[in-house]
Amino acid sequence: EVQLVESGGGLIQPGGSLRLSCAASGFAFSSNWMHWVRQAPGKGLVWVSRINSDGSDTTYADAVKGRFTISRDNAKNTLYLQINSLRAEDTALYYCAKGEVAGEFRYWGQGTLITVSS
Amino acid sequence: QSALTQPPSASGSPGQSVTISCTGTSSNVGGYNYVSWYQQHPGKVPKVMIYEVSKRPSGVPDRFSGSKSGNTASLTVSGLQAEDEADYYCGSYAVGNYWVFGGGTKLTVL
Repeated sequence: EVQLVESGGGLIQPGGSLRLSCAASGFAFSSNWMHWVRQAPGKGLVWVSRINSDGSDTTYADAVKGRFTISRDNAKNTLYLQINSLRAEDTALYYCAKGEVAGEFRYWGQGTLITVSS
Repeated sequence: QSALTQPPSASGSPGQSVTISCTGTSSNVGGYNYVSWYQQHPGKVPKVMIYEVSKRPSGVPDRFSGSKSGNTASLTVSGLQAEDEADYYCGSYAVGNYWVFGGGTKLTVL
């Protein structure tokens, strides 16, 4: 059974930093692209970032480029998202999702909530 | 990287059909057959209902169908049931290994 478990969220002041983690199990993690998707309270889904299977290639949404860094440790079956210079508009539930060949997201974690507030 | 355009709301009575549109550009919806649709009930994780424009994952009722014409994709829910009331999001692969979602449509079953 595919499982994705995010952690690392919390209440953080503007300008602060956080590192989110996503522990994966039940599939060949090192063979799959992985993504981060966020959802602000009461708002829609927003794609954040994607990393290829060996971590050599990454892409980011314009809104987070330069502040967010996606990475992975295939030995630990874990996906990361380093978030710097946090802003109020980064407040959201952050999901990790397993990428599929046809681009859809079939498996999602439960999400970890980041609240940016002073 | 603009969001795909969806109507904010849609509605229908039980047993009726409703169609939700999702408009993008030739760099995403129109250029690739990698359009997917997600159902999200309040407080729940999104669930994929359609992928590759019109394919249904195992377990998704055949009341859900998808199509695409040009830069616009559509999700049709036939034989509406009370449990179909949810938020629906379209998503698409975009050129350069980017992804984009629509703003979401709240489907109300009257």
